[in-house]
Amino acid sequence: AQRVTQPEKLLSVFKGAPVELKCNYSYSGSPELFWYVQYSRQRLQLLLRHISRESIKGFTADLNKGETSFHLKKPFAQEEDSAMYYCALGGNTGKLIFGQGTTLQVKP
Amino acid sequence: NAGVMQNPRHLVRRRGQEARLRCSPVKGHSHVYWYRQLPEEGLKFMVYLQKENIIDESGMPKERFSAEFPKEGPSILRIQQVVRGDSAAYFCASSPGQGRTDTQYFGPGTRLTVL
Repeated sequence: AQRVTQPEKLLSVFKGAPVELKCNYSYSGSPELFWYVQYSRQRLQLLLRHISRESIKGFTADLNKGETSFHLKKPFAQEEDSAMYYCALGGNTGKLIFGQGTTLQVKP
Repeated sequence: NAGVMQNPRHLVRRRGQEARLRCSPVKGHSHVYWYRQLPEEGLKFMVYLQKENIIDESGMPKERFSAEFPKEGPSILRIQQVVRGDSAAYFCASSPGQGRTDTQYFGPGTRLTVL
């Protein structure tokens, strides 16, 4: 089965604290994983993908095939990071399979 | 370069009416995906279309729902005889290619309310 799990519905941290948004997946083949973000009153947009191995806005995510995880991390959270974050798996035919989403709230 | 356009942004229908949602992909993109987000849930894949072809409709309900992406014009998601359970946000995304690594660009969504 193709499935993505984000166990936390809400993650609340103070500005400057480290952030880790958890994502676990289930996929029988070689996974393609993404993090999408939706800021308030904006459309859903790609934050990063595992294949690029890049850091965007200070966020990184490492694919751990042993643990079937793709957690999103940032060492020092900023208030502007407050948003809804979705982990997604590229399924067969290119469709995306989304997790439930995690709301990140960064308090001043 | 305009992004994905969806209209209407908000749609109110009474039970039994038809809802028609439109999606214009990014210029030059020929791959369109539709997703539905029920209240308090994540986005769920519905259907994937290329011009004049349905490639994957594994997420579409078997009845009342249909989708098309004609040679000319926007992609249309049609819901016949709407019921209260159809109330949701419907998102369209487009991509330049079919690959699993291709970025999908999302529209702002259409929020359907069924009274």
